[in-house]
Order: sequence, then C-alpha cells, then structure tokens
Amino acid sequence: TQLLEQSPQFLSIQEGENLTVYCNSSSVFSSLQWYRQEPGEGPVLLVTVVTGGEVKKLKRLTFQFGDARKDSSLHITAAQPGDTGLYLCAGDTSGTYKYIFGTGTRLKVLA
Amino acid sequence: KAGVTQTPRYLIKTRGQQVTLSCSPISGHRSVSWYQQTPGQGLQFLFEYFSETQRNKGNFPGRFSGRQFSNSRSEMNVSTLELGDSALYLCASSLPLAGGLNTGELFFGEGSRLTVL
Repeated sequence: TQLLEQSPQFLSIQEGENLTVYCNSSSVFSSLQWYRQEPGEGPVLLVTVVTGGEVKKLKRLTFQFGDARKDSSLHITAAQPGDTGLYLCAGDTSGTYKYIFGTGTRLKVLA
Repeated sequence: KAGVTQTPRYLIKTRGQQVTLSCSPISGHRSVSWYQQTPGQGLQFLFEYFSETQRNKGNFPGRFSGRQFSNSRSEMNVSTLELGDSALYLCASSLPLAGGLNTGELFFGEGSRLTVL
C-alpha cells in the first residue's frame, strides 16, 4: 500500500521557470521530509517539517506542510540545471522515525 | 567525517543464488535502515536495526533478512534470488536521540545495485 503519492511524476522545464511538487496522503504524519537523489547516489535530506502549516525555505526552495499534516509541497523558484534530480517526500506516521517514501518526482531543468 | 559506505557497489547474480550486502554507518550512528529502490515501486522500507536489534520491518518475504553487529555495521541477505529482486539496495544510518529515537535525518549510502539474471 502506497501511503504517499507525489505529483507530477515527471517534470521537464526550462531554466528560470518556477515549479511546485506535491506530496499527498490520506494518513496523518508526525513529520515529513524531502530528499533529493541524483543519479548514482543515495537520497540527501533537504528539509524536515513537523508542525502543521509550517513553511521552511532553503534558498530558492520553499517547503510547506499541510495544516492537517497529510500533505506537503515543494516550490522551486527560478529553477537551475543543478536542481535536476529525483525529489522524494518521506513521512513518519508513528513518530518513531520509520519513514515511508513517496513515489518520487523526477525533475529535469534544461539550460 | 566518512559517510555511509556500502559494498559491493554492483553485483550480478543468477536466480536461486543468495547475496549478502554490507553497510558501514557513519561513526556514532547506531540506527541502520535498509531500503529497496526500483523504478516501479520506488523506495520500499525493508528493515531497521538499532543496537543489534531489529526494531522495524517492512512487508518483504522472509528471503530478505538482516543483522547488525556490535560496531553498528549491518548486513542484509537475500536468499533464493528472483528476477524481481533486481534493484538498488540503499542503506541509511541515523543518529539516535536519548531514549533510542532517531533524529529523523537519514544519511544514505550510494547503494548496492543488484542485477539478477
């Protein structure tokens, strides 16, 4: 059973464009994380959100946790080719840090 | 600070064989988790070990097993390999808070890519 659905699955955009990736579930999460994975490497943590409605910014990346803690979004402003990669959300439903990963969004930013 | 080290990076096996993968966590990290990553299923949780004990287990058949040693290094084993076991196997370590809970930040290795022919 896939608890976390990400959309879109694939995204190809031009450098300088903005984009938003969504992570949705019917389950409530104690916390939610976003990772980025580049080819040949393991995922690298970008952010952890814990409080419903929380917004965190990491340079051009803005992360939001839904008020009900069931969904999250990642917004990238003025995308760069270096943003290319697989973006994964991961949620912890039990508060014990056993993370379930989303289906992933593969982003390609063209120069 | 050395990262998570997984060996081997690549391996090819045939159906029916077994395989053992190794993971050395970041020094001081006592929790080790294993994930299977495939194009169709994404990242699937296999199991998690803390202080040599399996604390969490995913929905995989008994052919998938693991263990953790006293130095926190971990191994996972897959017996009677099937074609569908072809995947990237990722190990992640994390730093525990007091009480054994993890900080939540998973540090991943580069993975072991298994091909079953």
